[in-house]
Amino acid sequence: RKEVEQDPGPFNVPEGATVAFNCTYSNSASQSFFWYRQDCRKEPKLLMSVYSSGNEDGRFTAQLNRASQYISLLIRDSKLSDSATYLCVVHTRASGGGADGLTFGKGTHLIIQP
Amino acid sequence: DTGVSQNPRHKITKRGQNVTFRCDPISEHNRLYWYRQTLGQGPEFLTYFQNEAQLEKSRLLSDRFSAERPKGSFSTLEIQRTEQGDSAMYLCASSLETSTAGNTIYFGEGSWLTVV
Repeated sequence: RKEVEQDPGPFNVPEGATVAFNCTYSNSASQSFFWYRQDCRKEPKLLMSVYSSGNEDGRFTAQLNRASQYISLLIRDSKLSDSATYLCVVHTRASGGGADGLTFGKGTHLIIQP
Repeated sequence: DTGVSQNPRHKITKRGQNVTFRCDPISEHNRLYWYRQTLGQGPEFLTYFQNEAQLEKSRLLSDRFSAERPKGSFSTLEIQRTEQGDSAMYLCASSLETSTAGNTIYFGEGSWLTVV
């Protein structure tokens, strides 16, 4: 069972449309959640953290459902520059040893078409 | 530039040779991570350091891999007797871990390894 699962896509979306990505995680002890963006052959860059209350940053909205172990990212009014791979990332803080650090999903590939 | 710095950015080596990558984290960051990423996959955790102490190693890190962070600043990742399956992007990341703040991890641009 994968720790962090995402639909790999690709999602082909016309410019201006709204697109939503989902992600599920298996470790109920996970404490922090993030969306990272990765452009082709580049390093991942933090897009936004995800909070239980939901959070918004411009055209981007992230939601966390701890009960369902589910994270989402919504992009409104998509731009050509939004084309990238979006990585769902879960952080589990160690207590007395064991796994620590970030666990990445494989990413969802988004292509915005003009 | 005060971000995470990695070098070399690209390395092509023959199978069986040893390679070493260096990472310079953001200066005040106490945690340093190494990840490996292949095409179509997300980054996979290899190991991390809290200051100079190596706190965890993934089972992906075979005995041909060794990482050090001798003074709690820069780190090196060495791969001995490289194999074609080692071809990947090796990502270094750093963060400031405190008892109260969640750690946002910042990545370097990665070191691409091609084993021929």
